Amino acid sequence: ILNVEQSPQSLHVQEGDSTNFTCSFPSSNFYALHWYRWETAKSPEALFVMTLNGDEKKKGRISATLNTKEGYSYLYIKGSQPEDSATYLCASSRDSNYQLIWGAGTKLIIKP
Amino acid sequence: DVKVTQSSRYLVKRTGEKVFLECVQDMDHENMFWYRQDPGLGLRLIYFSYDVKMKEKGDIPEGYSVSREKKERFSLILESASTNQTSMYLCASTTQGRQTQYFGPGTRLLVL
Repeated sequence: ILNVEQSPQSLHVQEGDSTNFTCSFPSSNFYALHWYRWETAKSPEALFVMTLNGDEKKKGRISATLNTKEGYSYLYIKGSQPEDSATYLCASSRDSNYQLIWGAGTKLIIKP
Repeated sequence: DVKVTQSSRYLVKRTGEKVFLECVQDMDHENMFWYRQDPGLGLRLIYFSYDVKMKEKGDIPEGYSVSREKKERFSLILESASTNQTSMYLCASTTQGRQTQYFGPGTRLLVL
């Protein structure tokens, strides 16, 4: 994989259900994996940054895992709420410089 | 809290016009970035700057230029706007040695 790919592109989830989506990234020369949340009319906001294989991060009902050997990360949302509606972006970096390679995002819509 | 502001949320310009997009950050960050975001694509880096008066081309610099005369301000210039520059433009900043980027709310530019 040369690019960062996210799936699915969009997702409709019933309020209260749990969900997850995927980010695939180049595993060679991996440095870090970032997740951001981008709500409509707001600025993208950093959720997590992970660097080590097997890393797991959690923030409230949202958690993420990292597999650097196979080049993927999962983002999980437990008990979805309307305020979780947003586009979730992931980005990877291949060394310690500032440039991130971005996925196209997963647009999550929570249905009340 | 880091604050990144962009001069306009929405802009409508005509083909051939010179367009200035301004970005200001208040956290004394060394690094600043300009991205564009188009449907179905990840954020694409146009230019970045790691210091005052320094600039580096990103992945898609053609048709754009930048200016960084002061540390807090990074301007993106479209010398002669074209319809294919209709897009969402995002500015971000980060401090030296860190990769987590702080974003402005974006400018949605329509070129007619």
